[in-house]
Amino acid sequence: GDSVTQMEGPVTLSEEAFLTINCTYTATGYPSLFWYVQYPGEGLQLLLKATKADDKGSNKGFEATYRKETTSFHLEKGSVQVSDSAVYFCALSNTGGFKTIFGAGTRLFVKA
Amino acid sequence: DADVTQTPRNRITKTGKRIMLECSQTKGHDRMYWYRQDPGLGLRLIYYSFDVKDINKGEISDGYSVSRQAQAKFSLSLESAIPNQTALYFCATSDSRGRDEKLFFGSGTQLSVL
Repeated sequence: GDSVTQMEGPVTLSEEAFLTINCTYTATGYPSLFWYVQYPGEGLQLLLKATKADDKGSNKGFEATYRKETTSFHLEKGSVQVSDSAVYFCALSNTGGFKTIFGAGTRLFVKA
Repeated sequence: DADVTQTPRNRITKTGKRIMLECSQTKGHDRMYWYRQDPGLGLRLIYYSFDVKDINKGEISDGYSVSRQAQAKFSLSLESAIPNQTALYFCATSDSRGRDEKLFFGSGTQLSVL
């Protein structure tokens, strides 16, 4: 079945460092890919998405490119801030949107 | 006010007790979902509903039941709670009419079963 694998955390970075969180997926067909973010004490919220190969999703300085050849959707940010500290979830949706499959989540700590 | 509201935010209960978690939404979405979050396992789908008359099991429905009382309300019940149901539970919604697969989440209910 469909699945999402993302790098284990926690990831600890200093402010202004470069961030990469790896995500790979297994799916039939052409899934849509997502990154959701969960701030402390809150529910998940969509950070960015891409719906077809080579699309780049971007939001709040974060970017991810849908790479079908490597089945990957890695999250990147050029300069992280303390306020980016959160748990990041990679996810896919492959069946008309009614079943979103999530990775295990990667916790990011950013130190001032 | 939050678009997707879950109650209670926290609940401690004992093994064998029946418990209900409630979710209401003001987004006008037709689809609603219940997920549970466990450390290292991400979110797993318990039940989902496309509309009031349509309820479907997710990947981990055993020990749970749901009720879609109205388009805006979707409750999750644990008939006889057990300790391994201790988790963070999320309700989510989506809108099929806009062909947008984006999920909107509530703030979660932390459930502890002793």
